[in-house]
Amino acid sequence: QKEVEQDPGPLSVPEGAIVSLNCTYSNSAFQYFMWYRQYSRKGPELLMYTYSSGNKEDGRFTAQVDKSSKYISLFIRDSQPSDSATYLCAMSSIRSGNTGKLIFGQGTTLQVKP
Amino acid sequence: KAGVTQTPRYLIKTRGQQVTLSCSPISGHRSVSWYQQTPGQGLQFLFEYFSETQRNKGNFPGRFSGRQFSNSRSEMNVSTLELGDSALYLCASSLAVGGSTDTQYFGPGTRLTVL
Repeated sequence: QKEVEQDPGPLSVPEGAIVSLNCTYSNSAFQYFMWYRQYSRKGPELLMYTYSSGNKEDGRFTAQVDKSSKYISLFIRDSQPSDSATYLCAMSSIRSGNTGKLIFGQGTTLQVKP
Repeated sequence: KAGVTQTPRYLIKTRGQQVTLSCSPISGHRSVSWYQQTPGQGLQFLFEYFSETQRNKGNFPGRFSGRQFSNSRSEMNVSTLELGDSALYLCASSLAVGGSTDTQYFGPGTRLTVL
């Protein structure tokens, strides 16, 4: 069983829809949670960074962490065709000694249709 | 401020050869991490360097190695290439204030094809 599970999709939505992307994890030591966006033939780009449980909002993006359920989400409001990309969740634990080791989900491919 | 740069962007090698990939972190960043991305396994952590020292290592064979220079630039080397080493190799840099790796910023990657 992988430490981080993420549905690879693909997920196809109409422009303007609210998109919900999710990851579950098994390692209770994870404390830092990130969402990256990766366009085709590009490196991942950091979208959101959260520590511990709760919500964090940045423009059209909201990241949610529920540590009791070991579940994280990314919501995209008013989705645009330019949001079409692969979204990767990533996590790290304090036990890794803050030494850069991120564990990634498989990534969800999102397509927003005009 | 310039982002993370990786060279070369594309590389074709044959089995048994070795390859060296280069990464220049964002100016002022002291930590460099390397990842391998494949369709089957996704993004997997290779290793992380800080102040020229490897601090953490993923589950990859010893054929994968790296180093970091005093200017924080990093290289990774793969010896005796196998077909399965074909992947996108990504480098990420972090400011690492106080030595603690925080937000990581990725480069565009080097696409390695092994024939």
